[in-house]
Amino acid sequence: GQNIDQPTEMTATEGAIVQINCTYQTSGFNGLFWYQQHAGEAPTFLSYNVLDGLEEKGRFSSFLSRSKGYSYLLLKELQMKDSASYLCAVRNNAGNMLTFGGGTRLMVKP
Amino acid sequence: DAGITQSPRHKVTETGTPVTLRCHQTENHRYMYWYRQDPGHGLRLIHYSYGVKDTDKGEVSDGYSVSRSKTEDFLLTLESATSSQTSVYFCATRPGTGFSETQYFGPGTRLLVL
Repeated sequence: GQNIDQPTEMTATEGAIVQINCTYQTSGFNGLFWYQQHAGEAPTFLSYNVLDGLEEKGRFSSFLSRSKGYSYLLLKELQMKDSASYLCAVRNNAGNMLTFGGGTRLMVKP
Repeated sequence: DAGITQSPRHKVTETGTPVTLRCHQTENHRYMYWYRQDPGHGLRLIHYSYGVKDTDKGEVSDGYSVSRSKTEDFLLTLESATSSQTSVYFCATRPGTGFSETQYFGPGTRLLVL
């Protein structure tokens, strides 16, 4: 079975740092993706991790621990435009499908 | 932007009627996917295609069928729409040439079944 958990909502202040967690229990694992989705729009790719450790991309970083079934997305220097949903997705062993968590809705306040 | 369009973008229909949603891509991507997105459930895979005429079921395929007769088009059909199929439907594509590649999503279709 596939189980991917994320907090439903988070609130943070402009300029601050926020960490969005994702835990997974899946029958297979071949990489973890993070997507950003603004209200009423399509998801867009943020990051990809397949090995343990931290991947940094500007203000956004993503961390993976395969042994713990755990990932997080770190957003630094928060801006109002970062208010969006953040989706965690695990790729299956065959590499042809993604299973998504329910998404975390982040609200950035002034 | 992977050149993905979906049509229609919005549709209202009645229970029991057939509905077909179209996904069109201009990038010659091998893989195409249909998801539905509902509050509290995130994105759930309905069907996907790994080539022309090659399709497979996803997590929530009951009540849906798909067809892919050309690389660029992937059709999703609700044979007899039900109110539980009210949702936002997203199409996605993936090149199929590398293991770390992401999926690219279309703009979505909002479907309301009355």
